[in-house]
Amino acid sequence: ETGVTQSPTHLIKTRGQQVTLRCSSQSGHNTVSWYQQALGQGPQFIFQYYREEENGRGNFPPRFSGLQFPNYSSELNVNALELDDSALYLCASSLASETDTQYFGPGTRLTVL
Amino acid sequence: QKEVEQNSGPLSVPEGAIASLNCTYSDRVSQSFFWYRQYSGKSPELIMSIYSNGDKEDGRFTAQLNKASQYVSLLIRDSQPSDSATYLCAVNEAAGNKLTFGGGTRVLVKP
Repeated sequence: ETGVTQSPTHLIKTRGQQVTLRCSSQSGHNTVSWYQQALGQGPQFIFQYYREEENGRGNFPPRFSGLQFPNYSSELNVNALELDDSALYLCASSLASETDTQYFGPGTRLTVL
Repeated sequence: QKEVEQNSGPLSVPEGAIASLNCTYSDRVSQSFFWYRQYSGKSPELIMSIYSNGDKEDGRFTAQLNKASQYVSLLIRDSQPSDSATYLCAVNEAAGNKLTFGGGTRVLVKP
């Protein structure tokens, strides 16, 4: 157990809909990173939040957006869902250090029909 | 584009043998390197982190880093059926705390 929690566990949406995924970071961690993992592939970095500000973004379109709250929990929002958005969405928490380890939550499995 | 490469496998290993996993990375200034284990349908679980050239041992696991060759490896000694999983190599960009992952190596330990 890493102390990182995510909700919901599973989610089914249809194309064009919007979805919000939630993450609570490990106690004492101020940084949350989000990753998308398609079936059979390694996780891909979406973006990172540090002290409520976006701190880097991967190669994802603007319809992927996020928030971080004062308690360091975070949300990932995806608008205009596409079939290719079907994936495991992973949240990882860490301290803001280049060498610090990221600890992953259990993930949210999103299926877009 | 920064890349991390792994052999996708499957790497089939008899129980009790040594499993050897390899990973190469393209960003020469990368500072931190991680191995995660991922069981099917689960999230990645940290096994090892390594920051300096050489070997780092933790139980049955040994990570090896060679920054000159841009190469990091993981050895699993006395492999057990419970070690059957996908092993992900991850590299932390020098400019920030963002991980670039390889595609993972699937390991099958046969009793």
